[in-house]
Amino acid sequence: NAGVTQTPKFQVLKTGQSMTLQCAQDMNHNSMYWYRQDPGMGLRLIYYSASEGTTDKGEVPNGYNVSRLNKREFSLRLESAAPSQTSVYFCASSEGLGTYFGAGTRLSVL
Amino acid sequence: QKEVEQDPGPLSVPEGAIVSLNCTYSNSAFQYFMWYRQYSRKGPELLMYTYSSGNKEDGRFTAQVDKSSKYISLFIRDSQPSDSATYLCAMSGNTGANSKLTFGKGITLSVRP
Repeated sequence: NAGVTQTPKFQVLKTGQSMTLQCAQDMNHNSMYWYRQDPGMGLRLIYYSASEGTTDKGEVPNGYNVSRLNKREFSLRLESAAPSQTSVYFCASSEGLGTYFGAGTRLSVL
Repeated sequence: QKEVEQDPGPLSVPEGAIVSLNCTYSNSAFQYFMWYRQYSRKGPELLMYTYSSGNKEDGRFTAQVDKSSKYISLFIRDSQPSDSATYLCAMSGNTGANSKLTFGKGITLSVRP
């Protein structure tokens, strides 16, 4: 049982480049989330998807887009990366009180 | 004022000590309370959750909630070096499809052998 799988684990981008962070869960959860974690800021919600076919903005959505491809997969896209988007990104899924996180993607934007 | 405030730390204790980690919150809509543990360079993992005032015990861990004071705590008894990690409190207003979590900033605990 893999849980929540994120790819890639590490990425370095130049300012202005685009990329997509992939996330898949095998727990048949309806809800999925993207968080970013920065030193001194904790975990902040970027976007979430309550169910397949729906997405909503979280606390810090600017500069990001998301796609809920199907029940298993939820991707996060940076169209034009900025140094302020240097962070660790976590995908999560939930059903009820249990929210489960992936191992994270460490992104550096130079 | 942030919705969830957590003692910033870091915290260093000797092995065997009792550890108390605390969070306060301002949003009365929060009904569900969780503690996550995050090891270095890993994702957060759910440690405990509770949804009522009072205590909930799981092995060496006890979660305490006081809704009247908007205050939650996690106690770790007989702390071990393997407990060294960052601990994050998290809260939610519901358990349904939009059960978004609001996190504290986390506190890093180091247990010295």
